[in-house]
Amino acid sequence: QKEVEQNSGPLSVPEGAIASLNCTYSDRGSQSFFWYRQYSGKSPELIMFIYSNGDKEDGRFTAQLNKASQYVSLLIRDSQPSDSATYLCAVKDGGFQKLVFGTGTRLLVSP
Amino acid sequence: NAGVTQTPKFRILKIGQSMTLQCTQDMNHNYMYWYRQDPGMGLKLIYYSVGAGITDKGEVPNGYNVSRSTTEDFPLRLELAAPSQTSVYFCASSRDTGANVLTFGAGSRLTVL
Repeated sequence: QKEVEQNSGPLSVPEGAIASLNCTYSDRGSQSFFWYRQYSGKSPELIMFIYSNGDKEDGRFTAQLNKASQYVSLLIRDSQPSDSATYLCAVKDGGFQKLVFGTGTRLLVSP
Repeated sequence: NAGVTQTPKFRILKIGQSMTLQCTQDMNHNYMYWYRQDPGMGLKLIYYSVGAGITDKGEVPNGYNVSRSTTEDFPLRLELAAPSQTSVYFCASSRDTGANVLTFGAGSRLTVL
């Protein structure tokens, strides 16, 4: 069973701080990695995706990938209360056109 | 451009009843998916389709059926509803590039009593 592991949280950070969200995956053949944000009672929405080892930045968000360690992370700089949500890590199955999701990390940003 | 539209948004079923969750997308995406999300859990794939006439099972297909007669529509059928099927159901679609950037519908909350 291919797995994606996340700490369920909640991860609490003060406004303006850096939030660090982590994810590990079991399938070494995985090629693509995604971070989705899900507000309470809403559907997931894509924040970022990353394919290559290293960092990828988009505004206040940075995705980091280390395939050797099977580890992907999301950094949120200058966290805002509006960033409070559950963040789902998703990994594309190495052999098939579908994603495996983690259980999500709940982030709470306090004013 | 409506994206992915799901109906109904809420439904209460009695044990043993059947129903169909509707999903339609207007983005001409070939790939469509049905996920379920239980409280505090991630998304589990029920069924997916790579194009009209082609469907395949995901991680948790038991108790469900799907069909894909057109590119736009991907209904999910629940037969003989059970309390274990109480969940929030999300339909999603993506282009057929393999990038798996999913666009989700708003979700359908189903309760089986």
